Amino acid sequence: TQLLEQSPQFLSIQEGENLTVYCNSSSVFSSLQWYRQEPGEGPVLLVTVVTGGEVKKLKRLTFQFGDARKDSSLHITAAQPGDTGLYLCAGAVARGGSNYKLTFGKGTLLTVNP
Amino acid sequence: DTGVSQDPRHKITKRGQNVTFRCDPISEHNRLYWYRQTLGQGPEFLTYFQNEAQLEKSRLLSDRFSAERPKGSFSTLEIQRTEQGDSAMYLCASSLLGGGDSYEQYFGPGTRLTVT
Repeated sequence: TQLLEQSPQFLSIQEGENLTVYCNSSSVFSSLQWYRQEPGEGPVLLVTVVTGGEVKKLKRLTFQFGDARKDSSLHITAAQPGDTGLYLCAGAVARGGSNYKLTFGKGTLLTVNP
Repeated sequence: DTGVSQDPRHKITKRGQNVTFRCDPISEHNRLYWYRQTLGQGPEFLTYFQNEAQLEKSRLLSDRFSAERPKGSFSTLEIQRTEQGDSAMYLCASSLLGGGDSYEQYFGPGTRLTVT
C-alpha cells in the first residue's frame, strides 16, 4: 500500500509570509500532482512533476520533486489570502506507461490571514 | 472546452434508499475515475474506466456500489441501500491516455451525499 504523508496538517499564517508544505512517502511514484481544493468543490490541478529533482514554478508557488521520486514540497512566497485552501499532493504509479489511480495525502489546510 | 461536470451537486437521502450520480468527463478524455472523500481526508480511489471498460475496483467499493460507462462517455455511480457511512463527497476525474499530459487527472466539482 502506498501512503503519502503531508505536513503540516494545518497552517495559519499572516499575509506576506512564506511557507513550505511537505509530502513524503516510502514509495516511488511515476508522477506527483499537487491540487488545491476549496470547501465544497473538487480539487483543482496546480502542477504535475515527473522527473526526479524537477522544480516547477507557478507564479509565487514553487514545486519540487525529490531526486528519488518519493517526496515533494510546495513553497509559497509572500502568501496572500487568496491562497487559502486545502493543498493535496497525489502520487500516481504508471502501469504500462500510462497513469493509474492517484493516492492522495490527507492535505494541508492553509489559512492566510489579512 | 468545458471541464468535468457532475450531477447532482448535493443529495440528501434516507438510509436504505438508492442513489445514482452522473459524471460527464472532458469530451476527448478516454479515462474516467471515481473517488470518495470524507471529512478531513484526501480523496480515495474507488474505480476507473478506460473507454467503456471498468478496469479496476477498489475494495472500498462494496457490492452495494456499481459504476457504469456504457458508451465510453458519461458514467454513473449507483449506491444501493445507502448507509450513513456512505455520506461523503463523491468525485469524478478524467484523463487522456496517450496524451502528452496523460498523468494529469482533472476533477469535477463533486456530489455531496448525506445519508440521514
